[in-house]
Amino acid sequence: DIELTQSPGTLSLSPGERATLSCRASQSVSLNYLAWFQQKPGQAPRLLIYGASSRATGIPDRFSGSGSGTDFTLTISRLEPEDFAVYFCQQYGRSPRTFGQGTKVEIK
Amino acid sequence: EVQLVESGGTLVQPGRSLRLSCTASGFTFDDYAMSWFRQAPGKGLEWVGFIRSNSYGGTTEYAASVKGRFTISRDDSKSIAYLQMNSLKTADTAVYYCSRLITAAGLSDFWGQGTLVTVSS
Repeated sequence: DIELTQSPGTLSLSPGERATLSCRASQSVSLNYLAWFQQKPGQAPRLLIYGASSRATGIPDRFSGSGSGTDFTLTISRLEPEDFAVYFCQQYGRSPRTFGQGTKVEIK
Repeated sequence: EVQLVESGGTLVQPGRSLRLSCTASGFTFDDYAMSWFRQAPGKGLEWVGFIRSNSYGGTTEYAASVKGRFTISRDDSKSIAYLQMNSLKTADTAVYYCSRLITAAGLSDFWGQGTLVTVSS
């Protein structure tokens, strides 16, 4: 199984600041099939990024993804109040599909 | 508008069975594979399994933790995907989500709001 490790566990930032989230895989992710999801309390996950760097439909351009192989990054260029949430990475290239444990972005 | 609505979650005793439903609307259900995920209280997301469209044989894949106990099926005439859960354990307590899969690799683009399954005596 491909294990995904996200860091940091919690990121305390102020609105307007830049957020950088990391996702490291235990082995290379096939064809960079790496996605990022946002989840708010009591809500379903929302797809942000797929294929490591492609934004999903309707996602603001302040969200960007980068990386390849085993190291991936989600960047939120300027945090808006609605961006404070938990973010998960997922590899979907190989079964079992696996997720990172999540990074919580909280208001400082 | 794509919508996925899960139902069937409830309190159930260990060892019993339960069937969850995922009712889809706003897209041609037949054309898509469907997946189930779960999230235990305060924990991260876990993939449960998926079912391909009947155009691809309607075949299924499962996580090791549920293989042999859980079965995913679909009724394209009703636009519903099912998750049959047998021999339930306390460790199966979670919110269960269904999602639509796009791309050959199985990327989840839309998710339902989830249904809570509590396994407890």
